[in-house]
Amino acid sequence: DAGVTQSPTHLIKTRGQQVTLRCSPKSGHDTVSWYQQALGQGPQFIFQYYEEEERQRGNFPDRFSGHQFPNYSSELNVNALLLGDSALYLCASSLELRVGSTDTQYFGPGTRLTVL
Amino acid sequence: GENVEQHPSTLSVQEGDSAVIKCTYSDSASNYFPWYKQELGKRPQLIIDIRSNVGEKKDQRIAVTLNKTAKHFSLHITETQPEDSAVYFCAATPTGNQFYFGTGTSLTVIP
Repeated sequence: DAGVTQSPTHLIKTRGQQVTLRCSPKSGHDTVSWYQQALGQGPQFIFQYYEEEERQRGNFPDRFSGHQFPNYSSELNVNALLLGDSALYLCASSLELRVGSTDTQYFGPGTRLTVL
Repeated sequence: GENVEQHPSTLSVQEGDSAVIKCTYSDSASNYFPWYKQELGKRPQLIIDIRSNVGEKKDQRIAVTLNKTAKHFSLHITETQPEDSAVYFCAATPTGNQFYFGTGTSLTVIP
């Protein structure tokens, strides 16, 4: 049973560039959430995708956008990179249960983004 | 939105002793509280979780307690071992979608 996978593992970009990060959810999961984890901090919620739509969004600017594909995999895009975007980007997958029910989120290994 | 506070930020214990990490939350609608362990350079891994209709849950050496009235929940690790050394994060969610994480506790178990 494949767990959550992410690519690439590391990425170095310069300010102003754009980046795309990829995530494949755990087998059987249909919901993907993205988090940003700065060094020494807890993960901060960016957004969640379900049924190919952004369902909920955290306090992140529009430079952060995403997409979910029919096979439930997802991409996170960040435009006009800033130095402060340097962080570990985590993808978490879960299974949508009945409305109002919460399922566990399982994390991928993350993509370490460095902006120079 | 929800605000989760976690204490202490660092914790050192002797091998075999117990460790307790506490979190408070602000949104009374939060109904699910997972705990994650993150080793250096690794992904956060779920170690235990509790839902709002339960006051306590135990899994071998790990237990979590929840006090909904006071809006706090705690992680208890008994008989600590060196491999328990890691950063531990608590989280809460009122919607099941957006998880709010604490700032983490760096646990060191001294052999």
